[in-house]
Amino acid sequence: AQKITQTQPGMFVQEKEAVTLDCTYDTSDPSYGLFWYKQPSSGEMIFLIYQGSYDQQNATEGRYSLNFQKARKSANLVISASQLGDSAMYFCAMSPPWDNQGGKLIFGQGTELSVKP
Amino acid sequence: GAGVSQSPRYKVTKRGQDVALRCDPISGHVSLYWYRQALGQGPEFLTYFNYEAQQDKSGLPNDRFSAERPEGSISTLTIQRTEQRDSAMYRCASSLPGQGRSGGPADTQYFGPGTRLTVL
Repeated sequence: AQKITQTQPGMFVQEKEAVTLDCTYDTSDPSYGLFWYKQPSSGEMIFLIYQGSYDQQNATEGRYSLNFQKARKSANLVISASQLGDSAMYFCAMSPPWDNQGGKLIFGQGTELSVKP
Repeated sequence: GAGVSQSPRYKVTKRGQDVALRCDPISGHVSLYWYRQALGQGPEFLTYFNYEAQQDKSGLPNDRFSAERPEGSISTLTIQRTEQRDSAMYRCASSLPGQGRSGGPADTQYFGPGTRLTVL
């Protein structure tokens, strides 16, 4: 069975510095997708970045990048130049192998990030 | 364009009552998912549809929970005889159909604002 682990319940970072949020996953399937979502205090779930298991390069989206280490089964999110608006809960998620029928997401427990001015 | 919408945003009900939660996906999205999120935790899968067909309902906790998507667009999650343990945020998400490759970017799920259910 697939599993996602986020070991950092809470993180602090100084404004304008970079921060890494850890995510490890467990699966025996060769193909899968990895996602990061942001949940601010308003409660919405905002998609940030995607990484496919066959992708050769790490995904990047603006200030977000994903440090994908397949052999270690880790998919850490790196936020560069943190902003106050980055304060939120961050969830790592995995989709199981696609079978042309859709795929549920399996989420980690989340990491609460606080950006200090 | 419009995102995923859910209604009501908040629902307070008494134990034993039935509730119906509605989800309107992004136009053109084939797949629709329901999740439940307890406070301080990640969302947990309940069920999902491709078009009007319910593909997987393995996450529904018991037979008091059911979902439908009769015309392949709007979906309703119904909880019968609600109990206090049903209190949670219920989230809906939608995505485009897959492109034959596992977990491709087209599979990205976009979430609605959720319905906060409180059972007294």
